[in-house]
Amino acid sequence: GAGVSQSPSNKVTEKGKDVELRCDPISGHTALYWYRQRLGQGLEFLIYFQGNSAPDKSGLPSDRFSAERTGESVSTLTIQRTQQEDSAVYLCASSLASTSGRYFNEQFFGPGTRLTVL
Amino acid sequence: DAKTTQPPSMDCAEGRAANLPCNHSTISGNEYVYWYRQIHSQGPQYIIHGLKNNETNEMASLIITEDRKSSTLILPHATLRDTAVYYCIVRTDNTNAGKSTFGDGTTLTVKP
Repeated sequence: GAGVSQSPSNKVTEKGKDVELRCDPISGHTALYWYRQRLGQGLEFLIYFQGNSAPDKSGLPSDRFSAERTGESVSTLTIQRTQQEDSAVYLCASSLASTSGRYFNEQFFGPGTRLTVL
Repeated sequence: DAKTTQPPSMDCAEGRAANLPCNHSTISGNEYVYWYRQIHSQGPQYIIHGLKNNETNEMASLIITEDRKSSTLILPHATLRDTAVYYCIVRTDNTNAGKSTFGDGTTLTVKP
């Protein structure tokens, strides 16, 4: 399978613990996005990586949230000192970045990580 | 990115066309209209996008009004598997504009 993969698929943690969520984008996709989706709500943008450019962190809700990406491959979203309101599905997406326009924003989403903070 | 407005829910009979509206009255000239859908418990799936001309692919058709302030996604022959939340978003298409916030979308229920 050549799709976006995420791990773990489910994570249950206790309030105050740190968690790391992993995303493996489609090979060759230089753009990578993280979103949060609370139950019954739409997707909330968190952070965006594009090649070697500085990431767009404007969607991160607090300084407890951070993300890194190794080159144009794996990304890790870290949530420190988790709170109950962090419970959500965290979705990762990747896309090509092309000046031709047509394919740049055709994002391919992973299955998500369901985070439950007790 | 411009905001979009969609009805929260719609029903459609199986085999009939599903027409999902989206208002984006503040869209700017360099913003595209994108549609995604999210079937329960899965990640969102890209459907179609357009700038000002109508577009058609194997999944759907996209009709954009001449003033570009609204659009309609058309599923020509809806099936039960098309039951999903459909998101309409607008955003620029350049290398610095990757972020999007998807609203609450329209929950389409296809009924037998």
